[in-house]
Amino acid sequence: DTAVSQTPKYLVTQMGNDKSIKCEQNLGHDTMYWYKQDSKKFLKIMFSYNNKELIINETVPNRFSPKSPDKAHLNLHINSLELGDSAVYFCASSPRLAGVGGANVLTFGAGSRLTVL
Amino acid sequence: ELKVEQNPLFLSMQEGKNYTIYCNYSTTSDRLYWYRQDPGKSLESLFVLLSNGAVKQEGRLMASLDTKARLSTLHITAAVHDLSATYFCAPPRGGKLTFGQGTILTVHP
Repeated sequence: DTAVSQTPKYLVTQMGNDKSIKCEQNLGHDTMYWYKQDSKKFLKIMFSYNNKELIINETVPNRFSPKSPDKAHLNLHINSLELGDSAVYFCASSPRLAGVGGANVLTFGAGSRLTVL
Repeated sequence: ELKVEQNPLFLSMQEGKNYTIYCNYSTTSDRLYWYRQDPGKSLESLFVLLSNGAVKQEGRLMASLDTKARLSTLHITAAVHDLSATYFCAPPRGGKLTFGQGTILTVHP
């Protein structure tokens, strides 16, 4: 049983299109995240939700909109895709907000590789 | 803003040799995480260091944390090919993990 699952794993699309990536965790965690990994492997936080509430909203174009319908799900919708959006998007979850109480390890999904042509 | 720097960024090692990866961070954090990423794969948690002076070991890898110096190290002992991967350190701050640039480790015969 996959702990953090993302769909789709690969996404190839044209500039200007709108696409969504879905994430689900079955770990019972309260906090979920979206990270973007660029071609140089640099990982940057985009958003974080805690108990369905948006906690972190980094400097990300407003074409990116996260949605958390419940604690177990965090989706990412991207409007008007641009070439620079090509990256691997990782969903992650942790028992509580990172850095709070105990080991509190972030568990990552397999990633969704987005290619914009 | 928290800045995290890893050194070196690229490490080519011979099997059997020892080496250390360094992780410096700019702002106080009382804990630090190390992750491993194989090519095209997800990130796998290696170590959680929860206090100053913490040391954790797993197989040929040993991680330590000095919160006063804002420094963590990942020591590799007698490297083997299976350790080839990218290693990331990440201190938490503001409810998120801030990752270093990653150290790409290649172990060759």
